[in-house]
Amino acid sequence: LAKTTQPISMDSYEGQEVNITCSHNNIATNDYITWYQQFPSQGPRFIIQGYKTKVTNEVASLFIPADRKSSTLSLPRVSLSDTAVYYCLVGPISGGSYIPTFGRGTSLIVHP
Amino acid sequence: DTGVSQDPRHKITKRGQNVTFRCDPISEHNRLYWYRQTLGQGPEFLTYFQNEAQLEKSRLLSDRFSAERPKGSFSTLEIQRTEQGDSAMYLCASSDNDRGDYNEQFFGPGTRLTVL
Repeated sequence: LAKTTQPISMDSYEGQEVNITCSHNNIATNDYITWYQQFPSQGPRFIIQGYKTKVTNEVASLFIPADRKSSTLSLPRVSLSDTAVYYCLVGPISGGSYIPTFGRGTSLIVHP
Repeated sequence: DTGVSQDPRHKITKRGQNVTFRCDPISEHNRLYWYRQTLGQGPEFLTYFQNEAQLEKSRLLSDRFSAERPKGSFSTLEIQRTEQGDSAMYLCASSDNDRGDYNEQFFGPGTRLTVL
């Protein structure tokens, strides 16, 4: 299983762009990178998923370099409501057994 | 509401008692996952089902933990002879494996267990 490493915490201010980087040096060829967001007392919520280069949706962008050994979740113009824990997961999306591993995530605090 | 639901939302029990939690996944989802989450930690995978088949259960924390999904719809997680260390949030998630999106899981609100 590919192990992921993220910063434990980050601070930002409203209106700023936030970039959270996840390291996954032993990512496998068939692994995808997925990010979840979790608010207190709620289950995690899927944000974005990608395999290579750049993926963008209405919530965030995911940048994946060519070697795929890391990825960066980018949140544009954060607001107070983006204060949450963000998890990076790596694993296959087809074939075989997959045990999702969340790790401790990155606690993002957005200040006014 | 067609999201994942869990019942009860909160459970307080005394040490040594058995507890059972229920999860109702999104109706067309064939995969169902159970996780445990303690304060300051990410969700910890326990087990998952593909329809009614339990495909991975090696991560269940002890033989006091068991899960079922008898008809491939709702699932139950039982903890026998609860211990104080079992106090945690128990999360259920489901996904539509037919789409190949193993990682796009939809989570329920969780059941918070307190063992006194």
